[in-house]
Order: sequence, then C-alpha cells, then structure tokens
Amino acid sequence: EVQLVQSGAEVKKPGESLKISCKGFGYDFRNFWIAWVRQMPGKGLEWMGIIHPGDSDTRYSPSFEGQVSISVDRSTNTAYLQWSRLKTSDSAIYFCARSPTYTTGWYGDYWGQGTQVTVSS
Amino acid sequence: QSALTQPASVSGSPGESITISCTGTSSDVGAYNYVSWYQQHPGKAPKFIISDVYYRPSGVSNRFSGSKSGNTASLAISGLQAEDEATYHCTSYTTSGTLLFGGGTKVTVL
Repeated sequence: EVQLVQSGAEVKKPGESLKISCKGFGYDFRNFWIAWVRQMPGKGLEWMGIIHPGDSDTRYSPSFEGQVSISVDRSTNTAYLQWSRLKTSDSAIYFCARSPTYTTGWYGDYWGQGTQVTVSS
Repeated sequence: QSALTQPASVSGSPGESITISCTGTSSDVGAYNYVSWYQQHPGKAPKFIISDVYYRPSGVSNRFSGSKSGNTASLAISGLQAEDEATYHCTSYTTSGTLLFGGGTKVTVL
C-alpha cells in the first residue's frame, strides 16, 4: 500500500530552525516526484516546491525560493522541508504529495497526513 | 504569480449537479491540459480526484468530471451527496515550470 508518512507536529520560536520529513512506503521512492504544499489556517493550498528523489532535481515556487530548502535521503526514502530561521508567518499545515510526473503534468496522487507547524514567541 | 481563481463557495441540494470553475491565464490553465482537482474534508489531507483536466483515477466516483475551455477549467459534480460536502482545489502547471493552486471552493450540500 502506498503511503506518505509525515513527521509530527512542531512548536517553535521565531528564529529557530526546523526540518520536517515525509517518508514513502509501498512504492519505488526514486521514481516519483515529491512536492511540498502549505496550507495556512482557513486558506487554500500553496505549492512550495518539488524534488525528484532519483536525481535530486529541485524546483521552487518564486514565493518560497530562499525561504525554505527541500532535500531527500534516498537511503531512507525520505524527503525533507527545512527552514533556517522560522517566522510567525510560517505557522501552517505542510503536506507532502507524490506525483509520477512534473513537467508533463503534475498531480498529487498520494498525500501525507500533514505536519502542523506553530511558530510563536 | 497569482493563484488561480475559484469561487469561494458553491451549494446545491442532494441529487442536483453543480460546477466549480478554476480560471487562470494563457500561461497556466490555457497553456496545457495539466489541470488537476482535489477534494479536502475538514482536518484531512487533500484527495486526488481528477488529473490532466479530464482523467478520473480508479476508485473515484463517476459523478465527478472535469473539462476545460480556454483559460477556465471546471469540475462538475452530479447527483450531489452529503459526502461531497468539502473544499475543492484546482491546480495547474505553468509555462514558468511552476505549479499554481486555486484558492479553494467550499461545497455545501443543502
């Protein structure tokens, strides 16, 4: 069974660093793109960026480039989303989603359960 | 890049049909047939229901159908049921090599 399992909720202070994870089960992790999507409270979905675990090809939304870093560890079938200095405005739920394609049409066929990130002083 | 435009809310009675629009530009929705749709119930992760404008994955009810005309894609739900009450999101690949989501449409079953 295909599953994306994300790390648990985080509570952090402004200025702290954070790395959340998304582990794939039940499929060949190297062959599917993993996207990260933000959902702020009561708002829609926002695409942050995407990585291909096979070759680490990474693309970022202009809105998030320089604000976050996306990486992958092929040995553990895990993708990561990282902040070096959190802001209160980073408080949101973050989802990972896999797709068999990107430049020829992206669709998130499986999604992680989401990771709640709360940044507060 | 601005988000794709979706109506904030759409409602219908059980058994009725509704349509949700997703309007972009010639640089995203109008450029490719790379629009997908997702259903999200409160507190849950989005669920994939349509890819590439029209294609419904196995396991998704045939009451859901997608279409596109120019810069506007649409999701139709026929035979509306209580379980269809959720927020629906569209997304499109863009000519810049990025993805855009719509703001989401809350469907209420009256």
